[in-house]
Amino acid sequence: EPEVTQTPSHQVTQMGQEVILRCVPISNHLYFYWYRQILGQKVEFLVSFYNNEISEKSEIFDDQFSVERPDGSNFTLKIRSTKLEDSAMYFCASSYRGTNEKLFFGSGTQLSVL
Amino acid sequence: AQSVTQLGSHVSVSEGALVLLRCNYSSSVPPYLFWYVQYPNQGLQLLLKYTSAATLVKGINGFEAEFKKSETSFHLTKPSAHMSDAAEYFCAVDSGNTPLVFGKGTRLSVIA
Repeated sequence: EPEVTQTPSHQVTQMGQEVILRCVPISNHLYFYWYRQILGQKVEFLVSFYNNEISEKSEIFDDQFSVERPDGSNFTLKIRSTKLEDSAMYFCASSYRGTNEKLFFGSGTQLSVL
Repeated sequence: AQSVTQLGSHVSVSEGALVLLRCNYSSSVPPYLFWYVQYPNQGLQLLLKYTSAATLVKGINGFEAEFKKSETSFHLTKPSAHMSDAAEYFCAVDSGNTPLVFGKGTRLSVIA
């Protein structure tokens, strides 16, 4: 069965450093998403991406965050200058039609900011 | 705005016992409702979904959930727990194809 792949599974960084979280969505999917879960809190929507542009973003997704689909297969989330409160599990997801009924999630990247 | 409340961050049951994971939602429009499961070191996997068809929804691995509009609930059940059911379970709501709103999750432990 096709799956969404995320790398790395764990990322440790120093506060203020830039990090890039990588995702390979399912190959024929057109809609891409990032969600995150801070330990003990809810899974929260960050951003959705379609046709090479952001289609929707939450309040969390401020200027420190950016997304990119650099080569037609990868979908990346960049945090420019990490803060302690960015420590969380980050989930990538993709779908073909852009509906939540057919949303596939990756296994997540655990980001720890020290 | 929609929201989801999952009662109990951790539920522990004996193997063979009934599993009941609670989810209540708030939505201003008829919602779509989802249960996801996350096994250790794996992604979020769709367990089942309610999309305004039958109110009793059957999912994978013997799980089912019933949409009760009067109670704004979508509780997840399984008649007999198995050791392999130990995982984190997330309830989520979608009102009008908006980004999913998740609950905090419930960790299910199954005791032999």
